[in-house]
Amino acid sequence: GNSVTQMEGPVTLSEEAFLTINCTYTATGYPSLFWYVQYPGEGLQLLLKATKADDKGSNKGFEATYRKETTSFHLEKGSVQVSDSAVYFCALSGYNFNKFYFGSGTKLNVKP
Amino acid sequence: EAQVTQNPRYLITVTGKKLTVTCSQNMNHEYMSWYRQDPGLGLRQIYYSMNVEVTDKGDVPEGYKVSRKEKRNFPLILESPSPNQTSLYFCASSLSGTGSQPQHFGDGTRLSIL
Repeated sequence: GNSVTQMEGPVTLSEEAFLTINCTYTATGYPSLFWYVQYPGEGLQLLLKATKADDKGSNKGFEATYRKETTSFHLEKGSVQVSDSAVYFCALSGYNFNKFYFGSGTKLNVKP
Repeated sequence: EAQVTQNPRYLITVTGKKLTVTCSQNMNHEYMSWYRQDPGLGLRQIYYSMNVEVTDKGDVPEGYKVSRKEKRNFPLILESPSPNQTSLYFCASSLSGTGSQPQHFGDGTRLSIL
């Protein structure tokens, strides 16, 4: 079946540090992959996406590359800010594209 | 403003008392979906709808019902709520059900079933 596994949190970093949040997936066929971000008290917002192998999604300084050979979609940012503190979810849409599967979320705390 | 609106935002109720959480979107989206968010489990899909009168089960549909009589509305119904349905619920919509379309989420409904 389809599933998403992402690293446990919380992750605590100092401002301007490098961020990596690992995400691996299991899926049949060729899923689309997403990163969503959730700020306190709010719903999820799309951060970036990739729809085929080797695609790189990017937005607001965040990047993730769809790696089919390692079934991974790790989120990276070169220099985090306090305003990046949030919960990050990796997700995939299944083979038939109708269903979505989310990881358990990784909380990021960025300290000034 | 494009948005997904859920009501109520918070609800405390008792076991067995039927409740409905409403969801409405103003973006003319075809696809709508309900999720529940639980600590350590992330979001799990309850039901989704590809269009009016077309609904299907997600991964955790037991104990829930949905209907899609109008394109903009997708209510979630708990006919006999139980404590294990205490959770944070999100409604989402997207232009279509194809996987490349981003989903727009409501702000969530926190349900407590005593």
